[in-house]
Amino acid sequence: DGGITQSPKYLFRKEGQNVTLSCEQNLNHDAMYWYRQDPGQGLRLIYYSQIVNDFQKGDIAEGYSVSREKKESFPLTVTSAQKNPTAFYLCASSIIVENQPQHFGDGTRLSIL
Amino acid sequence: KQEVTQIPAALSVPEGENLVLNCSFTDSAIYNLQWFRQDPGKGLTSLLLIQSSQREQTSGRLNASLDKSSGRSTLYIAASQPGDSATYLCAVTTSGSRLTFGEGTQLTVNP
Repeated sequence: DGGITQSPKYLFRKEGQNVTLSCEQNLNHDAMYWYRQDPGQGLRLIYYSQIVNDFQKGDIAEGYSVSREKKESFPLTVTSAQKNPTAFYLCASSIIVENQPQHFGDGTRLSIL
Repeated sequence: KQEVTQIPAALSVPEGENLVLNCSFTDSAIYNLQWFRQDPGKGLTSLLLIQSSQREQTSGRLNASLDKSSGRSTLYIAASQPGDSATYLCAVTTSGSRLTFGEGTQLTVNP
């Protein structure tokens, strides 16, 4: 089945540690996105990419990094510079045609040990 | 900067009731507006997408309207069911296919 796979479902980070969240899609979508969701809040855009080897900062990029080496993959690294990383992280993808919806994965919940 | 607001933050209704969820946005220069459903601990499922040139979209018991000039959208759910219990999120698309989300309305439909 076509879709977006995020892994792991749950992730724990120690102080000072970098962790990487995986996002893979087999929908042949050009654009991919990373969002952060805090309890009782909407989603905020971290980074997005519309083409391989290119990406742009969203509204809350500080303390995060991404790469887009393959069309299917858009991993997110939460660095030690992100002082409040505990949140629910959602990856999405879409085709770059006007008025097409974004499709979402099931998310990764990151907690601090 | 685009801001999206959803009212109410939470809603509890008995089964069978018709209900309306509200969404407002500050900048009318949008490409489209989407309504999503989110179940606890899950990702988002797109329910309806209304293009900026459209006034409404319907899917089954769901009807979404858009008044771009006033910066408002409503999601109407007819004959609510317990399975409709979820958080409903509104989002607008601006430049670069970026979505700006509201904080959501948590809906509980009681049997």
